Amino acid sequence: GENVEQHPSTLSVQEGDSAVIKCTYSDSASNYFPWYKQELGKRPQLIIDIRSNVGEKKDQRIAVTLNKTAKHFSLHITETQPEDSAVYFCAARIIQGAQKLVFGQGTRLTINP
Amino acid sequence: DAGVTQSPTHLIKTRGQQVTLRCSPKSGHDTVSWYQQALGQGPQFIFQYYEEEERQRGNFPDRFSGHQFPNYSSELNVNALLLGDSALYLCASRARIRGATDTQYFGPGTRLTVL
Repeated sequence: GENVEQHPSTLSVQEGDSAVIKCTYSDSASNYFPWYKQELGKRPQLIIDIRSNVGEKKDQRIAVTLNKTAKHFSLHITETQPEDSAVYFCAARIIQGAQKLVFGQGTRLTINP
Repeated sequence: DAGVTQSPTHLIKTRGQQVTLRCSPKSGHDTVSWYQQALGQGPQFIFQYYEEEERQRGNFPDRFSGHQFPNYSSELNVNALLLGDSALYLCASRARIRGATDTQYFGPGTRLTVL
């Protein structure tokens, strides 16, 4: 079936430390993996994405890694800042049919000053 | 360049009523997907529209229906509302044309409360 598991559900780190959120997906045909940040009462905002032909992608303090064999991808945030506090969602695109996104359950990240 | 817009922002209905939510995609986008996000959960795919047709449906009952207009805007209709339909309804748009990015852009959502 189509499923994305995300861990941990909550994560608290000290400002300046790194945060890592992990996701696994079930459909081996998935080929696109975005990460969204959602602040309270706001829309999900894309922060980084990776396609299945790439193993790693970095954008300033944010990086995503993909292990297709293990069907596993991770979000890495370095030098965390208070404004990084939000709920983060991973997703995998199911390519059959309309190419829908299947989301993980979310990780509430809290950056402690 | 306008982003994805949705209306209304908030809506309160009672059980059994019907509701229509509206979405205008980002400029240049022709594909609209609808998601339901219950409190504390990730968005769940409802269905997707392009070329004015429903292309794929998630695990939602027939009470959920939609429409896409020639200008690519879309409506989500929910009939016979249940308490469990209370959620944030998100619209996301993307472009299907060759060479377009895979990125889906979300609208601000409509918060539906069913009493």
